[in-house]
Amino acid sequence: EAQVTQNPRYLITVTGKKLTVTCSQNMNHEYMSWYRQDPGLGLRQIYYSMNVEVTDKGDVPEGYKVSRKEKRNFPLILESPSPNQTSLYFCATWTGGTGELFFGEGSRLTVL
Amino acid sequence: GDSVTQMEGPVTLSEEAFLTINCTYTATGYPSLFWYVQYPGEGLQLLLKATKADDKGSNKGFEATYRKETTSFHLEKGSVQVSDSAVYFCALSDQGYDKVIFGPGTSLSVIP
Repeated sequence: EAQVTQNPRYLITVTGKKLTVTCSQNMNHEYMSWYRQDPGLGLRQIYYSMNVEVTDKGDVPEGYKVSRKEKRNFPLILESPSPNQTSLYFCATWTGGTGELFFGEGSRLTVL
Repeated sequence: GDSVTQMEGPVTLSEEAFLTINCTYTATGYPSLFWYVQYPGEGLQLLLKATKADDKGSNKGFEATYRKETTSFHLEKGSVQVSDSAVYFCALSDQGYDKVIFGPGTSLSVIP
């Protein structure tokens, strides 16, 4: 079964405490991406990766880091989280062009 | 740059009512157009798509027609059910760019 798996699904943390949200896919897609979803703002892209060791900034990259050391994994790193990073985060893979995005189930992060 | 505009809602309908969610886009190239749906507590999933002008995408009783002359891709369903309650996102991908751009989403509630 085609899957995009994110962990953790829910997390409450405090300002400044580094955290990582993992994302793993089993579809062998080259393109992976992170989005955040906020009320009234829809989905905004944070970072994306076209292939292993190739990453690029999306629309709202400030405060985030990513890495792509393996094709299947694309972790999102918050080095020093702040309350404005409280959000619902989605990892997605894409076949590109006219293809379909496949989303994980989301990770709800609260930063106190 | 490319963008997607859609009615934000929330939209509340009675079961068996007719649904229209408006979506218009701005793009420099010839984009592919999508509707994604997000059920409560889940990630987004593709509902339907159209890749060129005058194409009609359809799935689960939903339809949308790619109208190049009006740059629109309105979502319609003739008779909604309670199970259609979800957030609906219009999106585009332009083959000149390696990303998908989303509208803000429209929340739909269907009451019995």
